[in-house]
Amino acid sequence: GQQVMQIPQYQHVQEGEDFTTYCNSSTTLSNIQWYKQRPGGHPVFLIQLVKSGEVKKQKRLTFQFGEAKKNSSLHITATQTTDVGTYFCAAPLNSGGSNYKLTFGKGTLLTVNP
Amino acid sequence: KAGVTQTPRYLIKTRGQQVTLSCSPISGHRSVSWYQQTPGQGLQFLFEYFSETQRNKGNFPGRFSGRQFSNSRSEMNVSTLELGDSALYLCASSSGQHQETQYFGPGTRLLVL
Repeated sequence: GQQVMQIPQYQHVQEGEDFTTYCNSSTTLSNIQWYKQRPGGHPVFLIQLVKSGEVKKQKRLTFQFGEAKKNSSLHITATQTTDVGTYFCAAPLNSGGSNYKLTFGKGTLLTVNP
Repeated sequence: KAGVTQTPRYLIKTRGQQVTLSCSPISGHRSVSWYQQTPGQGLQFLFEYFSETQRNKGNFPGRFSGRQFSNSRSEMNVSTLELGDSALYLCASSSGQHQETQYFGPGTRLLVL
């Protein structure tokens, strides 16, 4: 079935370094969403991107949606220990007929060394 | 609005037993999705229910089943438990529109001995 590919699977950084995770799809996406799951917690919605080339910022986090609406990235500037967790992208993909299913990437686990 | 609630939060079972997990979505949400999460495996989609009907299904064996009630509350059942079923089971609710974001509950952590 259709998938959303996310890389890297793991990323370890020193506090203060930047971090980026990428999502790719072979099909054009209607939107892409990003979630964060803290260790021991559950995924929490961060943001949704809808428009081609869209860029949104949340403090040190910058989210981009590609011009072709097939890829997206999440960039964190100057990471802090509070950024630790797994970041998931997710997009609605056709699951047959007119049905769509919100499909998650495998996530990127970010660890930060203080 | 109250968030998504899941009960129980923790559960220990033995192989061969069955288990039922419950999820109450956010008020007004009509879609409930279930996921299995194990270390290193990401979020494995189990199924989605919308208005009491299963709308999407993942690639899990028939031992995993679910249902949704008229008040949108959902249950999932796992029969004949196996050691590999030990995982965090998450449910997520949404309004039911395909593009909408999902709101996750805290999960039920199941340990099968």
